[in-house]
Amino acid sequence: GAGVSQSPRYKVAKRGQDVALRCDPISGHVSLFWYQQALGQGPEFLTYFQNEAQLDKSGLPSDRFFAERPEGSVSTLKIQRTQQEDSAVYLCASSLYPGGARTDTQYFGPGTRLTVL
Amino acid sequence: EDQVTQSPEALRLQEGESSSLNCSYTVSGLRGLFWYRQDPGKGPEFLFTLYSAGEEKEKERLKATLTKKESFLHITAPKPEDSATYLCAVRRDDKIIFGKGTRLHILP
Repeated sequence: GAGVSQSPRYKVAKRGQDVALRCDPISGHVSLFWYQQALGQGPEFLTYFQNEAQLDKSGLPSDRFFAERPEGSVSTLKIQRTQQEDSAVYLCASSLYPGGARTDTQYFGPGTRLTVL
Repeated sequence: EDQVTQSPEALRLQEGESSSLNCSYTVSGLRGLFWYRQDPGKGPEFLFTLYSAGEEKEKERLKATLTKKESFLHITAPKPEDSATYLCAVRRDDKIIFGKGTRLHILP
């Protein structure tokens, strides 16, 4: 079956521009996660949705970062007034069960590489 | 503070040369330790979940083991296609905390 998809795969933005990154999770998956991965580092948690509810946004680095999942399926991560330090790969993951469930396995998309000039 | 530390940072092996990757963790009440494989330009690919000390899981040339303080990913007779970054992660509440990974390169 189809896995997690993300678009665009690559995005170049000028400093100060707003960007929107899209995630299509696996159909029927309850939970959706966003991560930020800097070069040579492991993914770092940004935010978590259970269906349409954003239950944890403790990892969002600033109020310039905003995520939504209005219908409990597709999610968008928006970054306003981008800065050079926002350059990273943004990964989306989904899982069948609510976050924290013992049998929860997260399946990742290919990521969006954001470069801010 | 919950932490995941992986070693070595990078490892080069000859094809067929077995070795182990280490993941040390500190977390309040382990509720799952995960191993992922990540190829360049791709998202992490799930390999294993371990829940309790003494547990082992195998997949092809890979075997993951777990103790109370660390996990090992054993690679037996690796092939060049096993070259990738291997990520270890632990669950904390509703999120997963990743280590920085071990970059594995298998030389033909």
